Amino acid sequence: AQSVTQLDSHVSVSEGTPVLLRCNYSSSYSPSLFWYVQHPNKGLQLLLKYTSAATLVKGINGFEAEFKKSETSFHLTKPSAHMSDAAEYFCVVSGRVDTGRRALTFGSGTRLQVQP
Amino acid sequence: GAGVSQTPSNKVTEKGKYVELRCDPISGHTALYWYRQSLGQGPEFLIYFQGTGAADDSGLPNDRFFAVRPEGSVSTLKIQRTERGDSAVYLCASSFGGGSGANVLTFGAGSRLTVL
Repeated sequence: AQSVTQLDSHVSVSEGTPVLLRCNYSSSYSPSLFWYVQHPNKGLQLLLKYTSAATLVKGINGFEAEFKKSETSFHLTKPSAHMSDAAEYFCVVSGRVDTGRRALTFGSGTRLQVQP
Repeated sequence: GAGVSQTPSNKVTEKGKYVELRCDPISGHTALYWYRQSLGQGPEFLIYFQGTGAADDSGLPNDRFFAVRPEGSVSTLKIQRTERGDSAVYLCASSFGGGSGANVLTFGAGSRLTVL
């Protein structure tokens, strides 16, 4: 079975400083990996996805993530935080297609706070 | 429609009552998913439909939970004899196909269920 671990439940940064949200995954096959963002009272929005093409994936709003198979990591980064980035972020791994499981498995989330 | 629509946005009910939550997916999306998000947690998979049939219902917690999608579009999640532990935000998502683990899901804003 696949799983994801988000290493920090809360991250606080100052506006204009870099953001690093950490994610490790466990999978017995080559998974697809995603980062979703959830703003208060809004639906989950896809930031970016990795599907075995380029290991460095660029997403929306200046976010990017690097797939590192040797470290089983898929950390999310952004060079400069903006106040509007404050939200809950979820690292997600895809289900195993050959078994019929299409479900995504979500991490427990990282709440990003951005201080002025 | 333009996005995934979920109704009601908020539902308060009493323990033991029956509840129905509705999801209207993006037009043309054949795959539909239900997730449940408890406070402070990531979404947990409940059930996945491909067309009219439930392709994977392994996430339904017990037989009080049931979902249908009779015409391959709108889906209803049904909860019988509600319990306080059922209180959560119920999320619906849809996608094209469903034949690949890399499919991007579009989520609705969710239905917040509170069982008193």
